[in-house]
Amino acid sequence: EADIYQTPRYLVIGTGKKITLECSQTMGHDKMYWYQQDPGMELHLIHYSYGVNSTEKGDLSSESTVSRIRTEHFPLTLESARPSHTSQYLCASSEGRSHEQYFGPGTRLTVT
Amino acid sequence: AQSVAQPEDQVNVAEGNPLTVKCTYSVSGNPYLFWYVQYPNRGLQFLLKYITGDNLVKGSYGFEAEFNKSQTSFHLKKPSALVSDSALYFCAVSYGAGANNLFFGTGTRLTVIP
Repeated sequence: EADIYQTPRYLVIGTGKKITLECSQTMGHDKMYWYQQDPGMELHLIHYSYGVNSTEKGDLSSESTVSRIRTEHFPLTLESARPSHTSQYLCASSEGRSHEQYFGPGTRLTVT
Repeated sequence: AQSVAQPEDQVNVAEGNPLTVKCTYSVSGNPYLFWYVQYPNRGLQFLLKYITGDNLVKGSYGFEAEFNKSQTSFHLKKPSALVSDSALYFCAVSYGAGANNLFFGTGTRLTVIP
């Protein structure tokens, strides 16, 4: 079982609220990723980081932002949530040159 | 650009029968190929990967996959399906050394019928 954690697991909030989805890993991995996944659908990479103070946008445009101040922590923030942000958000990490990614359990976000 | 295709949205198989979940890829270079499984309300779990070496790769839970360069395929297989194998399966490709980002297929829902 991979040591990567996401909180909260489920979140229901109203439109316009600011939210932060937390992701932490205890494996010392330098690379971390955020994916967006609609239920039962493919994953889309929205952000990634290759190390502290490194963040990049992924393949799918997203209004969210990320930060990487510590190796183990990679939070995702939505400044003003909208119903179109309703989705599942999956965090992952990988080590060095390894391409194998370890996934957290996900956060299912519903914006009303 | 790299991409991966899973031509079947849904695969149904009877318990005890062999199963195959198909995946084809497109990359300009040597591909790194992966299979992940996702159970309901869970994150993805790594099953197996092909980096180099033997074309037949063995992974977790009795799954294996065969890399076929000429057909650009990486089909997932298991000799005898279990009901507990029912889940969503994703094929993914990563391109070359230093490129750690994974590109996922659209997923195939496997249902094993008792």
